[in-house]
Amino acid sequence: SQTIHQWPATLVQPVGSPLSLECTVEGTSNPNLYWYRQAAGRGLQLLFYSVGIGQISSEVPQNLSASRPQDRQFILSSKKLLLSDSGFYLCAWSVGHSGNTIYFGEGSWLTVV
Amino acid sequence: AQTVTQSQPEMSVQEAETVTLSCTYDTSESDYYLFWYKQPPSRQMILVIRQEAYKQQNATENRFSVNFQKAAKSFSLKISDSQLGDAAMYFCAYSITSGNTPLVFGKGTRLSVIA
Repeated sequence: SQTIHQWPATLVQPVGSPLSLECTVEGTSNPNLYWYRQAAGRGLQLLFYSVGIGQISSEVPQNLSASRPQDRQFILSSKKLLLSDSGFYLCAWSVGHSGNTIYFGEGSWLTVV
Repeated sequence: AQTVTQSQPEMSVQEAETVTLSCTYDTSESDYYLFWYKQPPSRQMILVIRQEAYKQQNATENRFSVNFQKAAKSFSLKISDSQLGDAAMYFCAYSITSGNTPLVFGKGTRLSVIA
């Protein structure tokens, strides 16, 4: 069966520091991968999605970036965090034959102080 | 662009009663998928139910069922025999069928279950 792991679960970082959130999927190949952000009490905002290695689509221009160095690995990064980057970050995956159903990781809480 | 609207930011229901959460969407596509996801306090997003637009029969999953009105572009979720564990944020989502297209989510409805 397929599983998705996301880490770290909780992160407190000072303004201006770098960020790296990692996500890996097991049990499937060539998944579509996604990063969503959920600000406190609000809906889901799609940040990035990837349909293959090295293929990243950005939905919202900001100081975040994403990379997919391996088929089942998706990394969310920032060189310098802003206070507004605080939120709950969710990694997710899907495969085409699943009818576009996406499955989410456990999420990562980021607090920028 | 496709949009998904959940007009009820908050809802409440008595335990064992039935509640319906509303969702409308805007699309020019004829074939697509619709979803309801649940986000409990743990924040883990869980798929509740999925509907394929070409299927006229409403999807059901145990106590969860949908009322899919394609012409009205409406996709409501009915929870029967509500339980305390149903308390969560519920998100409606839409996806076209072709290509690797991300889901479009509504802003969510927070459901409280009263004992």
